[in-house]
Amino acid sequence: KAGVTQTPRYLIKTRGQQVTLSCSPISGHRSVSWYQQTPGQGLQFLFEYFSETQRNKGNFPGRFSGRQFSNSRSEMNVSTLELGDSALYLCASSPGTDYQPQHFGDGTRLSIL
Amino acid sequence: AQTVTQSQPEMSVQEAETVTLSCTYDTSENNYYLFWYKQPPSRQMILVIRQEAYKQQNATENRFSVNFQKAAKSFSLKISDSQLGDTAMYFCAFMADQTGANNLFFGTGTRLTVIP
Repeated sequence: KAGVTQTPRYLIKTRGQQVTLSCSPISGHRSVSWYQQTPGQGLQFLFEYFSETQRNKGNFPGRFSGRQFSNSRSEMNVSTLELGDSALYLCASSPGTDYQPQHFGDGTRLSIL
Repeated sequence: AQTVTQSQPEMSVQEAETVTLSCTYDTSENNYYLFWYKQPPSRQMILVIRQEAYKQQNATENRFSVNFQKAAKSFSLKISDSQLGDTAMYFCAFMADQTGANNLFFGTGTRLTVIP
């Protein structure tokens, strides 16, 4: 089975711009979760989508949003980028039921100039 | 709210030796899941081992085993016969056993270096 695929791997943006990150889960997985990883704050949960619905949300501002498509692929959007948004964004997928472990992608490294 | 604490920012171990990484957590939940993830320089987060809180038996996965002490809220990872490929950041993580709570709370990580 192919693993979780995140694109792009690297992204450079400037303040005020917006960005969209993509995540393709493992085949058959219906849950996709997004995490932000920074040296200062560590790994923080952004949100989770299950069957095209946001099921759970972390404590991030509304500039961070996401969606999930019928094929379970998910996108995360960040608008009005700030310097502090520079981070590694990790996507994880799981079946979404029975509390199966999450499997992570390689992440997208977002740098804000 | 759940918190996960890893008190060892960095550790090192000689190749073939055994090392134990510590993790404590705080929760009011009775049912939950605990995980250890490994993040090598390639940055992909890899699941090492998983423990269900309702199981008294400690989980084991080849050279990796845990010491789960529910009353003490402690969940340490033991790596036996350490290999160079074990060099990575190790994260302890918690997930509550609640419908719709499919999110992980992570500790700050322990950077493990295996010395040849």
